[in-house]
Amino acid sequence: QQQVKQSPQSLIVQKGGISIINCAYENTAFDYFPWYQQFPGKGPALLIAIRPDVSEKKEGRFTISFNKSAKQFSLHIMDSQPGDSATYFCAASKETSGSRLTFGEGTQLTVNP
Amino acid sequence: GAVVSQHPSWVICKSGTSVKIECRSLDFQATTMFWYRQFPKQSLMLMATSNEGSKATYEQGVEKDKFLINHASLTLSTLTVTSAHPEDSSFYICSARTGAGYGYTFGSGTRLTVV
Repeated sequence: QQQVKQSPQSLIVQKGGISIINCAYENTAFDYFPWYQQFPGKGPALLIAIRPDVSEKKEGRFTISFNKSAKQFSLHIMDSQPGDSATYFCAASKETSGSRLTFGEGTQLTVNP
Repeated sequence: GAVVSQHPSWVICKSGTSVKIECRSLDFQATTMFWYRQFPKQSLMLMATSNEGSKATYEQGVEKDKFLINHASLTLSTLTVTSAHPEDSSFYICSARTGAGYGYTFGSGTRLTVV
């Protein structure tokens, strides 16, 4: 019940295209859903996060869509750029103090010029 | 924004020696610290969770005597890999959180190579 399933495992997009990564969770107690971007040899960096009281959140070219009834959320990267090429992880946690993040398996995004 | 400084960024050590990795929260109080291990092309695997002043809680299968975690202050946590062996070679990442309602800030990671 603690799993977060992420797909696809890898994604290749042309410059200017839309990258879409999907995640599904099982634990309905999760109430914080962040997306992280990780470059090789670096720690993950928070891209954008959403809480279940909203269905969508947009920050620049990055949008999270959240479907509470389906227990799914997705990351959309508009106008994808070669600099967006990285590994993306979805995650989920409870908001209580000390709660751990449960990570998805990761998506390797490649944006071709 | 919140910053977690992790050092060293990479370390090479001989088999049988110990290595200490430090994580410092620079501009906030880290009430909870998380330590992860990441293998190439894989997700982050939580090793342990520590609250300031308390003993760390280790995940199943993680040897607490091998991976010593200290969280003695609200701004510093350390992970010591004792008697390191080549199979301990990995990318270790720390993460810190101030408390409920706040996000998780990650360090830049430490590449450990045991030869």
